[in-house]
Amino acid sequence: AQTIHQWPVAEIKAVGSPLSLGCTIKGKSSPNLYWYWQATGGTLQQLFYSITVGQVESVVQLNLSASRPKDDQFILSTEKLLLSHSGFYLCAWSRGVYAEQFFGPGTRLTVL
Amino acid sequence: SQWGEENLQALSIQEGEDVTMNCSYKTYTTVVHWYRQDSGRGPALIILIRSNEREKRSGRLRATLDTSSQSSSLSITAAQCEDTAVYFCATDLGGGSNYKLTFGKGTLLTVTP
Repeated sequence: AQTIHQWPVAEIKAVGSPLSLGCTIKGKSSPNLYWYWQATGGTLQQLFYSITVGQVESVVQLNLSASRPKDDQFILSTEKLLLSHSGFYLCAWSRGVYAEQFFGPGTRLTVL
Repeated sequence: SQWGEENLQALSIQEGEDVTMNCSYKTYTTVVHWYRQDSGRGPALIILIRSNEREKRSGRLRATLDTSSQSSSLSITAAQCEDTAVYFCATDLGGGSNYKLTFGKGTLLTVTP
């Protein structure tokens, strides 16, 4: 069975500080990977997707970057956090295009 | 219905009632995903309906898709308290290899005893 793990569970960070969030998928080789952001009470906004190691496509510009250093790992980062970065960050994977996406438990980020 | 600039919608019903949530999308889509999100958790797929399907059922859930009007609906029959959650529709932009999924604004469904 496939499992998806996100870390950390929650973060409280200062404006202007760096950020790194991680996501690992076990039990599935070569998954498609996705990062989403969700404001409190809001919808999900897809940020990035990756269909292979080393390749990441940006969907929206939010002063964030993503990398896929390993087949099963997806990293979201920024060098300088903004207040607007606060929210719920979700990693997801799928078997292919137009397929069901399986979401991780998410990371709650508060920027002060 | 979901989409546009409106905020998360809220629906409150009593246990045993039926409810329908609507979703309209802006361009051709290959599939419509319906996700359920419980508070503080990641969304989970409940029904995925493809452009060549008009209706799909799963237990007490029924999804419809009308490609001519670019709309989809999710119905829950005899709602139960555990159906309380936020429900999202999500669509791709159709055609080719498209990994971008666009979510609607969502509907907060509250089912009371």
